[in-house]
Amino acid sequence: ETGVTQSPTHLIKTRGQQVTLRCSSQSGHNTVSWYQQALGQGPQFIFQYYREEENGRGNFPPRFSGLQFPNYSSELNVNALELDDSALYLCASSLGGGGGKTGELFFGEGSRLTVL
Amino acid sequence: AQRVTQPEKLLSVFKGAPVELKCNYSYSGSPELFWYVQYSRQRLQLLLRHISRESIKGFTADLNKGETSFHLKKPFAQEEDSAMYYCALFSGSARQLTFGSGTQLTVLP
Repeated sequence: ETGVTQSPTHLIKTRGQQVTLRCSSQSGHNTVSWYQQALGQGPQFIFQYYREEENGRGNFPPRFSGLQFPNYSSELNVNALELDDSALYLCASSLGGGGGKTGELFFGEGSRLTVL
Repeated sequence: AQRVTQPEKLLSVFKGAPVELKCNYSYSGSPELFWYVQYSRQRLQLLLRHISRESIKGFTADLNKGETSFHLKKPFAQEEDSAMYYCALFSGSARQLTFGSGTQLTVLP
């Protein structure tokens, strides 16, 4: 069974740039969620994708957007990067059976983004 | 709005001593609560969920709706229990987990 994988593991961007982070869900999982974890904080929910559509969103501005592909993999895109976007971005997959009806998530190791 | 509070950022206990990691929540609906754990250099993973009423690695957690708490307990801590522990509340309607800020547990030899 293949776990959740994320790429890249680390990246550095400058303010105003755009970034794309990628995630492959665990085998058989149809729902992907993204979380932002700032230093010293717990993960914060960004959004969730099921059947290639966003079906849940946290308190993040529209410059945070995503995609889910037919193979359930997903991308997180952040436009117009700000210094406060520096964080660990976690992808989590689950077998939602209808869009994430469970809190049992399987996490990747994360992509650490530094914005200068 | 839902909120999860873990009042202790750091907690140290000696091996063999009891340990309790505190978690309080606020939520208007029927809560579904979890404990997640992150060991050093490993990914965040589920430890236990209240609905299962299970004991994992000797840890238990009881949901107390009156006190809006979901404290994690273990009677005899082991050094391998040293990790970051996150309490989390799941909202089915919002389809999101809300995490607390975490408690770093260190079990001393």
